[in-house]
Amino acid sequence: SQQGEEDPQALSIQEGENATMNCSYKTSINNLQWYRQNSGRGLVHLILIRSNEREKHSGRLRVTLDTSKKSSSLLITASRAADTASYFCATGPYGGATNKLIFGTGTLLAVQP
Amino acid sequence: DAGVTQSPTHLIKTRGQQVTLRCSPKSGHDTVSWYQQALGQGPQFIFQYYEEEERQRGNFPDRFSGHQFPNYSSELNVNALLLGDSALYLCASSLVGTGDPNYGYTFGSGTRLTVV
Repeated sequence: SQQGEEDPQALSIQEGENATMNCSYKTSINNLQWYRQNSGRGLVHLILIRSNEREKHSGRLRVTLDTSKKSSSLLITASRAADTASYFCATGPYGGATNKLIFGTGTLLAVQP
Repeated sequence: DAGVTQSPTHLIKTRGQQVTLRCSPKSGHDTVSWYQQALGQGPQFIFQYYEEEERQRGNFPDRFSGHQFPNYSSELNVNALLLGDSALYLCASSLVGTGDPNYGYTFGSGTRLTVV
């Protein structure tokens, strides 16, 4: 079963605007990762934040993590048409020797030129 | 630097048939995981292979089986196909051998399976 719930399910913005999507999860985690998927093809790893981190930046991406609320957010600044894709959060469960990922339901982002 | 390679890209099978999907991991990776993604959903974990053994399994029936070869490549087999098995099957490789669970995965482009 999927652990993460993402909000909103769909988001439409104009080029140059910022896009924020949120993810909530249910159990303790080791890390949380964000992935992008274009047109139902492969997933591209965007950024990973560990459970002891609160904020992380990578280029135009900013991720926050609040383990007390079991939530994370992904901010894409100065969006471009090429950012149009589905975005998924995925959690790496705490403990265990494997790094199985549990994905959320995804946010479909449409950036209008 | 070759990423994860999956074959075939598309496949159409008839209900009741069997299918084999293939995956070559990214160079230097030693672990392969398989995910099923139904239309409009997030990927669901099927199982993970490391050192040629199944290390962890998701909530999938025994009709789903796999194998990992000495060169770390992997196969996913699905027997007695059902219409509900139609999905995008994603292979992801990672490096577990270091013991650090905080590596991101590298995903392949997937195999689109349609069962008719």
